[in-house]
Amino acid sequence: DAGVTQSPTHLIKTRGQHVTLRCSPISGHKSVSWYQQVLGQGPQFIFQYYEKEERGRGNFPDRFSARQFPNYSSELNVNALLLGDSALYLCASSLVEGHEAFFGQGTRLTVV
Amino acid sequence: RKEVEQDPGPFNVPEGATVAFNCTYSNSASQSFFWYRQDCRKEPKLLMSVYSSGNEDGRFTAQLNRASQYISLLIRDSKLSDSATYLCVVRLARGAGNMLTFGGGTRLMVKP
Repeated sequence: DAGVTQSPTHLIKTRGQHVTLRCSPISGHKSVSWYQQVLGQGPQFIFQYYEKEERGRGNFPDRFSARQFPNYSSELNVNALLLGDSALYLCASSLVEGHEAFFGQGTRLTVV
Repeated sequence: RKEVEQDPGPFNVPEGATVAFNCTYSNSASQSFFWYRQDCRKEPKLLMSVYSSGNEDGRFTAQLNRASQYISLLIRDSKLSDSATYLCVVRLARGAGNMLTFGGGTRLMVKP
């Protein structure tokens, strides 16, 4: 079975641009969450979705948005990119809320 | 004050050594506790959950002290393959789904 898959794996963007990151959860998993991991730090929670509804939002500006589709895949959108948005963006899925979270390999975003 | 604090290390130990990592969390309402392992430039993977009674999985032992808001991980008979960053993780409430709060990680390097 495929694990959590994220695309793209690497991305370079210019300041001010916007980016869309994609995540496909493990088959059957209904909960998807997004994390940002800056180099040298632990991951920070951005959003969680369950059954297409936003269930939680971390301390990130409104430039960050996300959604979950009927097939439970998810997109994370970041507008007006800043240099400080350079990070590894991780997607995690779980069967239902509160169950073990499995992480994808991440998308490494570099903003120049 | 960070919600979850860990000594960043690195801990440099010889093969066969016993090493212990500690972690403190600030929110007394935290309900679930975990240790994740993250290899360089890879995604975090669940190592073990941490229960109040303490739990063991092979060479790994985790302890939780709710009164002191303190979590520990003990690794016995260290292997070269144990070299990684160990992330202390807390979930605030049972209804908090995958809103996990990560510590900054403790880096372990096991030397021959």
